[in-house]
Amino acid sequence: DTAVSQTPKYLVTQMGNDKSIKCEQNLGHDTMYWYKQDSKKFLKIMFSYNNKELIINETVPNRFSPKSPDKAHLNLHINSLELGDSAVYFCASSPRPGFTYLGHGNTIYFGEGSWLTVV
Amino acid sequence: AQSVTQPDIHITVSEGASLELRCNYSYGATPYLFWYVQSPGQGLQLLLKYFSGDTLVQGIKGFEAEFKRSQSSFNLRKPSVHWSDAAEYFCAVGASYSGGGADGLTFGKGTHLIIQP
Repeated sequence: DTAVSQTPKYLVTQMGNDKSIKCEQNLGHDTMYWYKQDSKKFLKIMFSYNNKELIINETVPNRFSPKSPDKAHLNLHINSLELGDSAVYFCASSPRPGFTYLGHGNTIYFGEGSWLTVV
Repeated sequence: AQSVTQPDIHITVSEGASLELRCNYSYGATPYLFWYVQSPGQGLQLLLKYFSGDTLVQGIKGFEAEFKRSQSSFNLRKPSVHWSDAAEYFCAVGASYSGGGADGLTFGKGTHLIIQP
């Protein structure tokens, strides 16, 4: 059983299209995230949701809209795709939103990534 | 703002040799430190983490890391590498975003590990 699963794993699409990436976690976690890994493999946080509420939004273009229908799902919708959106998008989850929340610490678990190529 | 520096973009090590990957962080508060590994075409797997207590942390796959507050470092080590260790290694610090109460990971740029036979 995959703890954090993303679909699709690979996506090739044309500029201007709209696409979605879905994410589900079966760990019972409250918090979910989207991270972007660019062509130089640099990973950066995009969004975080806690119990369906947006808590982190890191200067991401409005074309990116996360949606959390329930705390086990966090989908990422991208409008009007651009060449620069080509990247690997990682979904992740953690038990709580904060590392300082629990005395013995909090860990973020990542999905296997979704490789998006915009042509 | 927090940051993580991994000074080595690529490291080549012979199979069976020891390994040390460097990581330096900048963070104003108590750091929560992590090492993740990414094999080619795969997701991120947590190797180990440091939150408090013993500064030498043991992880999976025979890896360990040592937290040195005075040097702001959290270097990853392995006494003897295997060909299957070839991958991208990321150091990360857990930090507050959005004014606190919401934490996320800030990653270094990664170190690409190549294993020579």
